[in-house]
Amino acid sequence: AQSVTQPDIHITVSEGASLELRCNYSYGATPYLFWYVQSPGQGLQLLLKYFSGDTLVQGIKGFEAEFKRSQSSFNLRKPSVHWSDAAEYFCAVGAAGAQKLVFGQGTRLTINP
Amino acid sequence: GAVVSQHPSRVICKSGTSVKIECRSLDFQATTMFWYRQFPKKSLMLMATSNEGSKATYEQGVEKDKFLINHASLTLSTLTVTSAHPEDSSFYICSARGGQGFNTEAFFGQGTRLTVV
Repeated sequence: AQSVTQPDIHITVSEGASLELRCNYSYGATPYLFWYVQSPGQGLQLLLKYFSGDTLVQGIKGFEAEFKRSQSSFNLRKPSVHWSDAAEYFCAVGAAGAQKLVFGQGTRLTINP
Repeated sequence: GAVVSQHPSRVICKSGTSVKIECRSLDFQATTMFWYRQFPKKSLMLMATSNEGSKATYEQGVEKDKFLINHASLTLSTLTVTSAHPEDSSFYICSARGGQGFNTEAFFGQGTRLTVV
């Protein structure tokens, strides 16, 4: 069965600084990988996804993520964060042929002014 | 993106009563809907998957008689928490997909905060 680990529960960065949120997955085949963002008391919004092809994927709001098969990782990056990026970020993995997603435990991002 | 509307956004109910949460896809037909439960500072736990017109498939450990899911139309799914107790207090989120497989994006509702007193 697939699983997802987000090692960092809480990260604080200064506005304008770069950001990297870590995600490691466990799955026997090539996974479908996703990053979602959740604002307080809200549902989830898809930032980006990887299915195949170019391992560097671009998403909305200036985010990108890189799939590294050798490291079983799919880290999310942003070169310069904005105060509005403060939220909870979830990495998720889906198995080919399945319908459901398995989510990591989330990383809460705080932005210092 | 497509819109999934969840109602109510907040509900407080007395212990022992039942509460229904609605999840509607406003501008697409949702062949598959998912119901998640999110505990404070925790990840989303999938409760069940429902395909329109079929019985829901519940995840291991989720009581199907307690969490009744109905997906009677392509735009509406409901989750009924029966005989609610304080431990059922949580944030419930639905998600809807208009097709099969991950090539079709799943959209999420804004969630429902259930408090059982």
